[in-house]
Amino acid sequence: QVQLQESGPGLVKPSETLSLTCSVSGDSVTSGSYYWSWIRQPPGKGLEWIGCIYYSGSTKYNPSLKSRVTISVDTSKNQFSLKLSSVTAADTAVYYCATVGASTYMDVWGRGTTVTVSS
Amino acid sequence: QSALTQPPSASGSPGQSVTISCTGTSSDVGGYNYVSWYQQHPGKAPKLMIYEVSKRPSGVPDRFSGFKSGNTASLTVSGLQAEDEADYYCSSYAGSIYLVFGGGTKLTVL
Repeated sequence: QVQLQESGPGLVKPSETLSLTCSVSGDSVTSGSYYWSWIRQPPGKGLEWIGCIYYSGSTKYNPSLKSRVTISVDTSKNQFSLKLSSVTAADTAVYYCATVGASTYMDVWGRGTTVTVSS
Repeated sequence: QSALTQPPSASGSPGQSVTISCTGTSSDVGGYNYVSWYQQHPGKAPKLMIYEVSKRPSGVPDRFSGFKSGNTASLTVSGLQAEDEADYYCSSYAGSIYLVFGGGTKLTVL
C-alpha cells in the first residue's frame, strides 16, 4: 500500500520560493503506476490542483500557476518535490501530495502540510 | 472561481438520500467518463469515494453512488448516516488543462 508524507518549511516569506517534498513508501516513483501530484487548500476554501509529474519527468501544471511552479522527481530518494516561486499571502494553504491514476482519480493522499506565507 | 460548479451546501436527515451535482462543460465532465468524488472531514485529507463516474474503490460503502448526464455529474448518498457529514468535491479530467476540481459542497446530516 502506497503511503505519502509531505515535508517542508511551515513559514515562507513573501516573494520567496516555497519548497515541499513528498516522500513515497510502498511503491517506487519509477514504477509507472501513477502520476505524482500536488494539491492545495487555502484556509476555509476548496481544493486546487497544482500539477503532477510522471517518473519520466513529464509534467502537467495548472495553467493559473504554471509560470511559478516546478515539480520534480528524485528517484534516488523515492521522492517528488514542489517549488512555487514568488509567493504571496494567497499561497497560504494546506499542501497535499497524492497519487493520480490513469483517469485522474487521486486514491492515495498524504496528510497534508500547512504553509503560511508571512514576513 | 472553480472550473466545476457545485452547490455550496446540501442536507438531509438520517436514512434519507441526498444528491450533490457537479456541472462542467463538454471540455471536462461532458467529454470524458473521468469524474471523481472526494469526501473530506474537517482537518483531514480528502478520501476518494467515486472514480470514473460511478466506480467505488474498495471499502467505500455502496450507499455512495455516482452518475453522469451530459455536462453534469452527481453523487448520491443513500441511507444518510451521521458520519457522512463532510465536504464533498468533484473533479474531472479536462483534456489539455488535465484536471479540475469543483468548489465543494458541505453536506449536513440534520
